[in-house]
Amino acid sequence: DQQVKQNSPSLSVQEGRISILNCDYTNSMFDYFLWYKKYPAEGPTFLISISSIKDKNEDGRFTVFLNKSAKHLSLHIVPSQPGDSAVYFCAASADDYKLSFGAGTTVTVRA
Amino acid sequence: GAVVSQHPSRVICKSGTSVKIECRSLDFQATTMFWYRQFPKQSLMLMATSNEGSKATYEQGVEKDKFLINHASLTLSTLTVTSAHPEDSSFYICSARVLAAGEQYFGPGTRLTVT
Repeated sequence: DQQVKQNSPSLSVQEGRISILNCDYTNSMFDYFLWYKKYPAEGPTFLISISSIKDKNEDGRFTVFLNKSAKHLSLHIVPSQPGDSAVYFCAASADDYKLSFGAGTTVTVRA
Repeated sequence: GAVVSQHPSRVICKSGTSVKIECRSLDFQATTMFWYRQFPKQSLMLMATSNEGSKATYEQGVEKDKFLINHASLTLSTLTVTSAHPEDSSFYICSARVLAAGEQYFGPGTRLTVT
């Protein structure tokens, strides 16, 4: 049973524009959410996280929004750059720190 | 950020042999490390949680006798795939949790191919 869902398998965006990636979860025990970026044949790279006590966290070009009532979070990347082309995974954990991952969204930034 | 290494990055072995994969936290201590597996074009699936000085805890459906995990020190966890079969071919990734933080930092992964 997939507890974390990324319903968009791919996203294409023009360089300089905003990329918005969405993620939904079903487990109400999740209290910590993370976004990772991954290139083929490499391990995921941590991007940004948010605790359930917040609704927004910002770090440079990356902002994560959390809507607890809707069990939804999103990652905004602005402005998008060619180097942002990768697979982005949403992950969530409860107090056991085990991560449940979404299926990933492949982002392609067009020049 | 914290650095996690894995060795080897790629291994090819024959069916029936065993393969050991090492995961090291290079600049921090990790009481807890995690092992994940990723099939092509799929998400990462947690296999087991490795706790320093105690037995690993395995997720449902993961054979503990086949995937032996040892966490002998605060910076090293090993995963041994015993009696490997072609269906064990996959990308294995470890992560380490920074103490008092929720983030996990991932190793670069190990591509295992069993022929």
